[in-house]
This record gives sequence, C-alpha cells and structure tokens, in this order.
Amino acid sequence: LAKTTQPISMDSYEGQEVNITCSHNNIATNDYITWYQQFPSQGPRFIIQGYKTKVTNEVASLFIPADRKSSTLSLPRVSLSDTAVYYCLVGDYNDYKLSFGAGTTVTVRA
Amino acid sequence: NAGVTQTPKFQVLKTGQSMTLQCAQDMNHNSMYWYRQDPGMGLRLIYYSASEGTTDKGEVPNGYNVSRLNKREFSLRLESAAPSQTSVYFCASSVRGKETEAFFGQGTRLTVV
Repeated sequence: LAKTTQPISMDSYEGQEVNITCSHNNIATNDYITWYQQFPSQGPRFIIQGYKTKVTNEVASLFIPADRKSSTLSLPRVSLSDTAVYYCLVGDYNDYKLSFGAGTTVTVRA
Repeated sequence: NAGVTQTPKFQVLKTGQSMTLQCAQDMNHNSMYWYRQDPGMGLRLIYYSASEGTTDKGEVPNGYNVSRLNKREFSLRLESAAPSQTSVYFCASSVRGKETEAFFGQGTRLTVV
C-alpha cells in the first residue's frame, strides 16, 4: 500500500490560490491519486482523481508529474467556505483499505 | 437519491451497553466501510466489506463487529461499549477499491458515559 505524506496545516487568504502537495514515493503502476475534502461535522467528499499529468474540474486541479511520486491539489481563488481538511489517498481497484491519514487542515482567512 | 444513510444520528450509551449502528446505500455499490473519527484526528478504518458476503478488519477493529446483511446494508455492532469508543462514526460505500469515488454518510455521534 502506497504511503502518503502531506502537510498538517496551511493558512491562506480569500482570493488566493492554495496548493497542497502530497508525497507518495512508492506509488504502484495501477494506483490512482484521489483527494477528498471534509468540513466539520460532515463525512469526507470526493474532490478530484487522477492518474497522470493534469486533471481539472469545477472545484480544483490536480497536477501529477511524470514520475508520479507526488501530486499537488490546487484550489483556485479560495473563499472562507473552502476552510476544511483535505485528504490525499493513493490506491487501485484491489486496495479496499480506504485509509485517511490526518490530512491537511486548510484555513482561509478574510 | 439518498446515497448513504446512517442511523441513528446521535446516541448516548452507558458503559457496558450494546448497540448496532445501521448503514444503507442505494447506489448499488459493492464495497462498504466503517470509520471512526476522534476530535482533531483523521478517519480510522474499523472494518470494510469489499463485496457482499465478505468483511475484513481495518486499522482499529477491536471492540467492534460488523455484518454485511446484503448488498445495501452494512451494520456495526458494539457488544460492550467503553468510553474509549466515544467518537463520530462514518459509513461509506464505493463501487470498488481506491480507484473509485467513495460516498460517505452524515455520521453517528456516539457518546459512552
């Protein structure tokens, strides 16, 4: 199982771009990279998933370099409502141990 | 479309009491999961069920049992509740493993006194 490492916390201000990098040095060939967001008193919510290069949706972008040993979640122009915990997960279709570490607590200030 | 439904939302137990947390999903997902989340911490996997008829231990299974009743339902049982089991419990489901999106319920806040 690929182990992930991400910063414990990050602070930002409204309107800025937030980039959270996750390290996964032993990622396997079949592994996907998935990010979840969790607000207080709620369950995690899927944000974005990718395998290589760049993926973008209406919420975020995910950048994955060619060696896939890290990935960066980019949140453009954050608002106060983006204050949440963000989790990086790595695994494939055979990996059911959907384990969430401590995640990265992002605090957006006015 | 309800997604993942957990019952109850809140529960207070006395030490030694037993209870079952219920979870049901209506998305025809194969895999289901139970987590606990303690204040200021990430989610820890208690048990998971990769498919109907199978269950496996996660990171923190001690003190819990699970039943995959059918494809829709996955219950978590505390046989003899302890204060250390005070936590928020989340149920989740997904089509397969980590390469598919997981959907979470709203959680059950359990207090053991």
